[in-house]
Amino acid sequence: EDQVTQSPEALRLQEGESSSLNCSYTVSGLRGLFWYRQDPGKGPEFLFTLYSAGEEKEKERLKATLTKKESFLHITAPKPEDSATYLCAVQANTGRRALTFGSGTRLQVQP
Amino acid sequence: DGGITQSPKYLFRKEGQNVTLSCEQNLNHDAMYWYRQDPGQGLRLIYYSQIVNDFQKGDIAEGYSVSREKKESFPLTVTSAQKNPTAFYLCATTRGGANTDTQYFGPGTRLTVL
Repeated sequence: EDQVTQSPEALRLQEGESSSLNCSYTVSGLRGLFWYRQDPGKGPEFLFTLYSAGEEKEKERLKATLTKKESFLHITAPKPEDSATYLCAVQANTGRRALTFGSGTRLQVQP
Repeated sequence: DGGITQSPKYLFRKEGQNVTLSCEQNLNHDAMYWYRQDPGQGLRLIYYSQIVNDFQKGDIAEGYSVSREKKESFPLTVTSAQKNPTAFYLCATTRGGANTDTQYFGPGTRLTVL
């Protein structure tokens, strides 16, 4: 059974204080690992897809990395508008293409 | 304006009622999915459809039903058999591609049982 565990559950940062969110996963053959951002009361917004260990992707203040067991979302010099819940999900290399999600990390960036 | 629309945004249901949540897309995506999100939990798969007139149960299909008569539409019915339907419901679609299938989500419907 595919599993995704995200840590910490919640994180409070000061504006400009860099940090990392962790996503540990077990999957029967990784097809892709996804990061989403979700604001309260809204649908998840796609950020990144990572396909293989060693891959990195960047978007503004966010950088996602992938190993064979975990992924990190690094947030550099965050701003208050980066406050959201960040969701990690995996897609297995099977016929079913649905995602298995972690429970998310709630990030709050204070000015 | 392209995208995924879900309606209504808020829905209230009385005990014993069936309700239907709408999901429409004009992205020409083949696959569509329904997820349920409870507070502090990850999204859980209810049903999915990879082509018109075909759909499969997800991990928590009991008490739900779907149809896929058109490529653009994938409505979800929450039946009276669903014991705890209060949740945030999210519809997603998949474009498809060579490596993997990025899922794009609609804005969600919040269902509350009175």
